[in-house]
Amino acid sequence: GDSVTQKEGLVTLTEGLPVMLNCTYQTIYSNAFLFWYVHYLNESPRLLLKSSTDNKRTEHQGFHATLHKSSSSFHLQKSSAQLSDSALYYCALSDRGEGADRLTFGKGTQLIIQP
Amino acid sequence: GPKVLQIPSHQIIDMGQMVTLNCDPVSNHLYFYWYKQILGQQMEFLVNFYNGKVMEKSKLFKDQFSVERPDGSYFTLKIQPTALEDSAVYFCASSMTGWNTLYFGAGTRLSVL
Repeated sequence: GDSVTQKEGLVTLTEGLPVMLNCTYQTIYSNAFLFWYVHYLNESPRLLLKSSTDNKRTEHQGFHATLHKSSSSFHLQKSSAQLSDSALYYCALSDRGEGADRLTFGKGTQLIIQP
Repeated sequence: GPKVLQIPSHQIIDMGQMVTLNCDPVSNHLYFYWYKQILGQQMEFLVNFYNGKVMEKSKLFKDQFSVERPDGSYFTLKIQPTALEDSAVYFCASSMTGWNTLYFGAGTRLSVL
């Protein structure tokens, strides 16, 4: 079945440094959609980015990611980390199952930004 | 933005009892979902629901689980009877169509003792 790997469980950075959170995936479907969700403590996970287009950069709220189907990757990046970026980030995959989205999530990367 | 509300935020229950988790989805959404997250692991799909019916369920959706949304009220997940391995955070989500952005609730932490 589908799988999503986020190899870093915890990333700690100093404010102002660039952010890169890794995400790779496996699926047999060629029309996979990839997502990044951000989960702040005591809030709901919310969509940050999504893409299904190969080699096209997607941006939102200062973050960006590019889906590379050749390497099955969808890494999340930001040029300069802010304290408010501290949160849990989930990468997720949808193979567009029958009738509706069925997301496969990675284990998440906890991002901590220090002053 | 649109909000999905989950009630309660934490539920403690004895093994073997019944529990109902309540979800108030976004008002004009038509598709509803439950996901389960055991501590330290990823969120996993349980079930999706549309037009009064289960569309798809995973192998985690045991026979003891059921979902319903009677007359546009709460979308509920019922577990009867509960088992120790049901202890997890359960996230509800909704979307306008099956292929739109999923909006998640903040989760209900279920502790089965």
